[in-house]
Amino acid sequence: AQSVSQHNHHVILSEAASLELGCNYSYGGTVNLFWYVQYPGQHLQLLLKYFSGDPLVKGIKGFEAEFIKSKFSFNLRKPSVQWSDTAEYFCAVNANSGYSTLTFGKGTMLLVSP
Amino acid sequence: SQTIHQWPATLVQPVGSPLSLECTVEGTSNPNLYWYRQAAGRGLQLLFYSVGIGQISSEVPQNLSASRPQDRQFILSSKKLLLSDSGFYLCAWSVNYGYTFGSGTRLTVV
Repeated sequence: AQSVSQHNHHVILSEAASLELGCNYSYGGTVNLFWYVQYPGQHLQLLLKYFSGDPLVKGIKGFEAEFIKSKFSFNLRKPSVQWSDTAEYFCAVNANSGYSTLTFGKGTMLLVSP
Repeated sequence: SQTIHQWPATLVQPVGSPLSLECTVEGTSNPNLYWYRQAAGRGLQLLFYSVGIGQISSEVPQNLSASRPQDRQFILSSKKLLLSDSGFYLCAWSVNYGYTFGSGTRLTVV
């Protein structure tokens, strides 16, 4: 079974600072990778996903993530955060073989101060 | 368009009382359906998933059960709630690896 590790449980940044949230997974086969975001009081929303192809994936709201297969990593980045990026971010993975459920990391709470 | 409805949004229940949370999906057929729980500091934990009517798989042993009486309906139940059942419950559906989540139910067991 796959597992996901998110390194930071809480991150505090000032507006305009750069963001990188770490995500590592463990699984021996091919995977699909996701980043979800949950803004306060709102649904879980898909930020971006990687299935195959270019390992640098661009998502909504200026976010991007890079899949580094050799490091089993899928870190989320944004060059300049805004106050409105305050939210909880979840990395998730499922195996790209047959039926597989989505496994989430424990999440990272990002607080951006104005 | 495909939508997912989950209710109620919030629920406060006494210990020992029963629970029924409902999730329905529109705009898709034969989706895979999921119940996740988000407890404070513990991320999203998969509780149950279903690949078809009457087919339920449990990921973790617990005080909860799930049923899928119709293709687009997924119900989470408990006969007697425990304090530890408090949390945020999310229903989700997927087709071809794309996942869509409901708005969630905040359950507080008192």
